[in-house]
Amino acid sequence: EILMTQSPATLSVSPGERATLSCRASQTVTSNLAWYQQKPGQAPRLLIFAASTRATDIPARFSGSGSGTEFTLTISSVQSEDFAVYYCQQYKNWPPESTFGQGTKLEIK
Amino acid sequence: QMQVVESGGGVVQPGKSLRLSCTGSGFTFSRYAMHWLRQAPGKGLEWVAVISYDGSEIYHADSVKGRFTISRDNSINTAFLQMDSLRPEDTAVYYCAKAYIVVSVAPTLHVWGQGTMVTVPS
Repeated sequence: EILMTQSPATLSVSPGERATLSCRASQTVTSNLAWYQQKPGQAPRLLIFAASTRATDIPARFSGSGSGTEFTLTISSVQSEDFAVYYCQQYKNWPPESTFGQGTKLEIK
Repeated sequence: QMQVVESGGGVVQPGKSLRLSCTGSGFTFSRYAMHWLRQAPGKGLEWVAVISYDGSEIYHADSVKGRFTISRDNSINTAFLQMDSLRPEDTAVYYCAKAYIVVSVAPTLHVWGQGTMVTVPS
């Protein structure tokens, strides 16, 4: 099973600042990686798939990069509505294997 | 707008069964694969099962294989998760999600429901 490790566990930023979240895979997943946002009490929302493709209606301030084992989600200028938990998900050996990281909590500094 | 709504959760004793339902609206249900995922209290997300748009492809995670069965009825825009031989470690919020890409079973998950809680006491 491919293990996904996200860092940091918690990231504190001020509104308007840039946020950089990392995700590392235990083996290569090429570009088979997605990012999700989950706010408290809500369902996750797809942000990015195929490592760098924004999903429909996702603001341009969200961008994904990386390939192989190292990936980054960048929020260019964090807005108040962006404070949430972010998960990465790999799907290299799909079907049926797909695993998620443990999440990074983005909190207000 | 597109939405999916789960139902059927509750408290169930170990070894018993439960069936979850997921009803979609605002999109052509019969054109999209449907997934089930779960999130144990305070934990991360775990993918559970997928059924293709026409039911011809079905996959389950190893952790539930042989105990859980996914199915769908496109005539009523609903997917199901039949959960048998439930264990305390199955306690979680169960989410239904619509695939992002039409026809594909790829696990890029676009529209999620609010989830339904399943509790299996130890």
